Amino acid sequence: DAGITQSPRHKVTETGTPVTLRCHQTENHRYMYWYRQDPGHGLRLIHYSYGVKDTDKGEVSDGYSVSRSKTEDFLLTLESATSSQTSVYFCAISGGLAGGETQYFGPGTRLLVL
Amino acid sequence: ILNVEQSPQSLHVQEGDSTNFTCSFPSSNFYALHWYRWETAKSPEALFVMTLNGDEKKKGRISATLNTKEGYSYLYIKGSQPEDSATYLCAFNSRPGGGNKLTFGTGTQLKVEL
Repeated sequence: DAGITQSPRHKVTETGTPVTLRCHQTENHRYMYWYRQDPGHGLRLIHYSYGVKDTDKGEVSDGYSVSRSKTEDFLLTLESATSSQTSVYFCAISGGLAGGETQYFGPGTRLLVL
Repeated sequence: ILNVEQSPQSLHVQEGDSTNFTCSFPSSNFYALHWYRWETAKSPEALFVMTLNGDEKKKGRISATLNTKEGYSYLYIKGSQPEDSATYLCAFNSRPGGGNKLTFGTGTQLKVEL
């Protein structure tokens, strides 16, 4: 299994509260991704990173920001959580420079915004 | 937004049955097609990555084919077993480089009954 951890694994928070989710990898992979998983939508890309300090938006980036100050850590921040951001969040990593490389997924973080 | 469609949405089969699912994707700007297996309460696990028209991949009782000209891929499971019960996701990669962004379908949920 790829060395990917996510923290916290479960979180309950209130609307308007900032929340930061952490993804940590021990594989030294260049690419890291944040997805959310919702019923009927499958996995949707929020943001991704192609190197330290290099990030870009995905399909559903509104309301989220990310940072990557080290190769091994990719942080996802909800600046002011809303109930629509209740979801399961998955981090993924891949090593390749070109497309076609397999993405390996972390265990997920279940977030409930009340 | 790229459209990746999977059918059927869900499937119930008996142990020993063979089954197949379909993934449809845009035939233009194709780069790679991924299949993942996703068990409940776990994270998605990579099965195959296919890049060439006519590609066929096999892993045990599971195999996949790819038709990039018409934009579809089939996943086959021969002699289904209860442990094959999972959601099977396909994901489309439309260009090389650029962070290997994947667009996922919503999955086919397979239930294998004794």
